[in-house]
Amino acid sequence: NAGVTQTPKFRVLKTGQSMTLLCAQDMNHEYMYWYRQDPGMGLRLIHYSVGEGTTAKGEVPDGYNVSRLKKQNFLLGLESAAPSQTSVYFCASSSVAHSGTSGYEQYFGPGTRLTVT
Amino acid sequence: AQKITQTQPGMFVQEKEAVTLDCTYDTSDQSYGLFWYKQPSSGEMIFLIYQGSYDEQNATEGRYSLNFQKARKSANLVISASQLGDSAMYFCAMREANTGGFKTIFGAGTRLFVKA
Repeated sequence: NAGVTQTPKFRVLKTGQSMTLLCAQDMNHEYMYWYRQDPGMGLRLIHYSVGEGTTAKGEVPDGYNVSRLKKQNFLLGLESAAPSQTSVYFCASSSVAHSGTSGYEQYFGPGTRLTVT
Repeated sequence: AQKITQTQPGMFVQEKEAVTLDCTYDTSDQSYGLFWYKQPSSGEMIFLIYQGSYDEQNATEGRYSLNFQKARKSANLVISASQLGDSAMYFCAMREANTGGFKTIFGAGTRLFVKA
């Protein structure tokens, strides 16, 4: 049980290049999320998905696109990278159901450190 | 609008002592959940504890407890008997129930330093 995995772990892009970040989870979770983490700002939601084939915008969606063709995978794309997209990107997933004191906690991947020069 | 405020950018605590990390939140919803996550220097995000808005008792998980004061809209994390391995960033987060499992808002975080 690997939990949530992200590929790649590190990447350096030049301005204008494109790339795709891959997130995979093996917990059969319905919900998946992409966040970016910048110094002093905590985590901000980019896009999320409530199920296979559905995606929605989060707090900071501009410049990113996502796809959820399979339940276990959630892809984040940058079509034309900009220096402002230099950040650490986290993928997370969570279950629909909860019980007792469990409350939809999100399980996070290890993060992808992206630098755009 | 949802908002999470963590006013302590950094905190120091002596090993084996207790420490409280502050978190205040703003929401107009009656049903919401509050979370604390730990991020060690290795970078991963680790779920610590959860408190539901309707839970009458403060949540506890081992050495972690959440001091929930609903009227004051505060959800402070208390770590008892601090250990060197507790040195990390700590994030408070909130999810409003009517958004399902998504749109969780995170605070800016507090960096905790545990001194030997």
